[in-house]
Amino acid sequence: GAGVSQSPSNKVTEKGKDVELRCDPISGHTALYWYRQSLGQGLEFLIYFQGNSAPDKSGLPSDRFSAERTGGSVSTLTIQRTQQEDSAVYLCASSLGRPGKSRNTIYFGEGSWLTVV
Amino acid sequence: QQQVKQSPQSLIVQKGGISIINCAYENTAFDYFPWYQQFPGKGPALLIAIRPDVSEKKEGRFTISFNKSAKQFSLHIMDSQPGDSATYFCAASPNAGGTSYGKLTFGQGTILTVHP
Repeated sequence: GAGVSQSPSNKVTEKGKDVELRCDPISGHTALYWYRQSLGQGLEFLIYFQGNSAPDKSGLPSDRFSAERTGGSVSTLTIQRTQQEDSAVYLCASSLGRPGKSRNTIYFGEGSWLTVV
Repeated sequence: QQQVKQSPQSLIVQKGGISIINCAYENTAFDYFPWYQQFPGKGPALLIAIRPDVSEKKEGRFTISFNKSAKQFSLHIMDSQPGDSATYFCAASPNAGGTSYGKLTFGQGTILTVHP
């Protein structure tokens, strides 16, 4: 597609349930990122994929959070046993991912708004 | 050391005025400093970016000023318009390559309101 596509756009779930958030990056982008944006807060890095590998998952807040990427394209962020503090906007982003002097612009999707009740 | 501190948290400017948002960082490994603009319900969009080998970059009404010795950079919006009303985030990332490639550390954001 033309941009980074995320689904669902909105999700309300009960505390303790598992949720899956999907990201479809821009075609040809090898780098994919997940960020979390809580109300009134900045963007918090969660995980970075280069291809299907995740060389940096240092931002995942707990072992309830996991992510995978298949086929070098679509990525899924899974939150198990959701807690109220998981309520936030989960933003996916992608870039060309080519190393070198020229910086690759990171493009964001519109986010998945998660509310845990 | 990974933090980027942004101020002010909110800013109100009259149409035609200059909006100034400031950011400071500690990590000397940062070498790329973008600004993102975010409208309600939308994802952040890249506005303008600078590397530390220049002290200023201008694109239209938007200018980044960069002070490497002070480890500070700022966004100036000239002739501010109501359509500029949005949340602005500064960010920084270290050198390309390795596991940190492209990993952005964001400031806390500034909510800009431009009154007509």
